[in-house]
Amino acid sequence: NAGVTQTPKFQVLKTGQSMTLQCAQDMNHNSMYWYRQDPGMGLRLIYYSASEGTTDKGEVPNGYNVSRLNKREFSLRLESAAPSQTSVYFCASSTGLYTDTQYFGPGTRLTVL
Amino acid sequence: KNEVEQSPQNLTAQEGEFITINCSYSVGISALHWLQQHPGGGIVSLFMLSSGKKKHGRLIATINIQEKHSSLHITASHPRDSAVYICAASISNFGNEKLTFGTGTRLTIIP
Repeated sequence: NAGVTQTPKFQVLKTGQSMTLQCAQDMNHNSMYWYRQDPGMGLRLIYYSASEGTTDKGEVPNGYNVSRLNKREFSLRLESAAPSQTSVYFCASSTGLYTDTQYFGPGTRLTVL
Repeated sequence: KNEVEQSPQNLTAQEGEFITINCSYSVGISALHWLQQHPGGGIVSLFMLSSGKKKHGRLIATINIQEKHSSLHITASHPRDSAVYICAASISNFGNEKLTFGTGTRLTIIP
């Protein structure tokens, strides 16, 4: 039982490059989330998926796209990376949306040069 | 003003001390979460509560809905409790739920 897994753990990109962050959970959770964490700021929601087949924008969606591939997997794509997207990205999952305990992945540290 | 405010931002204490971290929110909520983030970066959910009090080991979380305030207490603190503690409020906004995070309290316990 691995919980929530994320790949990669670290990534360095040049401005304009694209990449996809992968997230998977094995807890049969309905809801999944992508957050970014920046120094001095709280976690901010980028996108979420309340259930398989649905995705919605969070607080800071610009520059990102997501895919809920199936119940287990929720990926985050940066089409054209910018230095402002340098951050630590966390994926999380929960049974229900927001009012159930969220389980977090280990994070991906992304640097955009 | 952030909808969720935590205090203090930083807290240093001696091993064994009783620790209190505070979280205030400005709107009605359906649940309040307490999270712990260790220096390695991993985030763990400690509590989720909508009323009263919850206890797990040396950790106690309380919430006062009328005063829009929650506290996290650590009894007999230990250096391994050193971490960033984050509160997050599940807020209903015109029928849509959202989770708003505080900026965290960095706790350092000195042996």
